[in-house]
Amino acid sequence: RKEVEQDPGPFNVPEGATVAFNCTYSNSASQSFFWYRQDCRKEPKLLMSVYSSGNEDGRFTAQLNRASQYISLLIRDSKLSDSATYLCVVNGNFNKFYFGSGTKLNVKP
Amino acid sequence: NAGVTQTPKFQVLKTGQSMTLQCAQDMNHEYMSWYRQDPGMGLRLIHYSVGAGITDQGEVPNGYNVSRSTTEDFPLRLLSAAPSQTSVYFCASSYSGQALQVGELFFGEGSRLTVL
Repeated sequence: RKEVEQDPGPFNVPEGATVAFNCTYSNSASQSFFWYRQDCRKEPKLLMSVYSSGNEDGRFTAQLNRASQYISLLIRDSKLSDSATYLCVVNGNFNKFYFGSGTKLNVKP
Repeated sequence: NAGVTQTPKFQVLKTGQSMTLQCAQDMNHEYMSWYRQDPGMGLRLIHYSVGAGITDQGEVPNGYNVSRSTTEDFPLRLLSAAPSQTSVYFCASSYSGQALQVGELFFGEGSRLTVL
């Protein structure tokens, strides 16, 4: 079983739509959680950390459910510039980061 | 501020050749790591280091060696290249080597390796 699993996508949505991505992780002892964004053929960059209480950054909201070992990312009012692959990342075991395979988002005019 | 610098950006090798991918960071990060990214597989951890002189294996260490003689540098060596090692390699660093406190990973731009 993979450490981190994500919806593979692609998600094709119109501008202005709200889209949600999900991610599950297998190690209940995982301590920190992140969403990264990766543009085509570029390096991943941190989008936001995910906290137990949930957190918001502008149009982006991240939620963590430790009991279900589930992480989500909600993007409101999608922009063309949001088109990218979104990676769920879990720091599962003493400095080992585990990445999901990513969910591709295409925002269309 | 250069951040994380990887060289080379592109490399073609023949099966059996050896090479070293270089990674340097100027942020005084204790934690450094190497990943490979293959289509549909996400990033997989090869090796990591929590400080100079300390390295450990990740998920897919076979065929790769690392060393960490300084805080700044973390080279990845391919001992005898195989076509299965064709991939995009990313080096990443973070500001803490302590468990529970490793934060954001800062990535280099990647090295695209093809093994024929």
